Amino acid sequence: GQQVMQIPQYQHVQEGEDFTTYCNSSTTLSNIQWYKQRPGGHPVFLIQLVKSGEVKKQKRLTFQFGEAKKNSSLHITATQTTDVGTYFCAGHYTGTASKLTFGTGTRLQVTL
Amino acid sequence: NAGVMQNPRHLVRRRGQEARLRCSPMKGHSHVYWYRQLPEEGLKFMVYLQKENIIDESGMPKERFSAEFPKEGPSILRIQQVVRGDSAAYFCASSPLQGAGSGELFFGEGSRLTVL
Repeated sequence: GQQVMQIPQYQHVQEGEDFTTYCNSSTTLSNIQWYKQRPGGHPVFLIQLVKSGEVKKQKRLTFQFGEAKKNSSLHITATQTTDVGTYFCAGHYTGTASKLTFGTGTRLQVTL
Repeated sequence: NAGVMQNPRHLVRRRGQEARLRCSPMKGHSHVYWYRQLPEEGLKFMVYLQKENIIDESGMPKERFSAEFPKEGPSILRIQQVVRGDSAAYFCASSPLQGAGSGELFFGEGSRLTVL
């Protein structure tokens, strides 16, 4: 079936270090979205990418959609303790546009 | 403008009982999605509904689970004869548009079901 895998599953960094999570789909996506879920909280939308090779930035966060529209990445520069949470990618598959399929998530822990 | 409202926030049931989870989408949103999240895991799609219609229930277990989104009132996810494996957080999300063109999903705070 259609699966979206993320690596790493978990990462622990010191404040100020960079962080990257990678998202890989078995088949082509029509778009990719990223969400952040704080511990005990609910997913909150960060961004959507639609075009092949698209790159978007939000302050210290950089999002990229692969050329083949099968993978994506989220890079955080100079992490802060407020970045703690689980980051999920999620995508719509071409031809099955009704549901958003979530990745397995990457849990980020940031310590001082 | 209130966000997506879910209730109850926490629900405890004994095995064999029924659980009813309610979701009121954001004002102006007519598309509702239900997701299940087991502890330390990702979000698993269950069902996508529009008013009075189930559009995609491919993620819904065939037995004991049902969902509706009536013309008036909230969307309801119903779990009959609950078992311990149903213990999870159930998130509802809404959007104003359909599918791939919907942009972001707006999530509620979730209903956390514990089955004893």
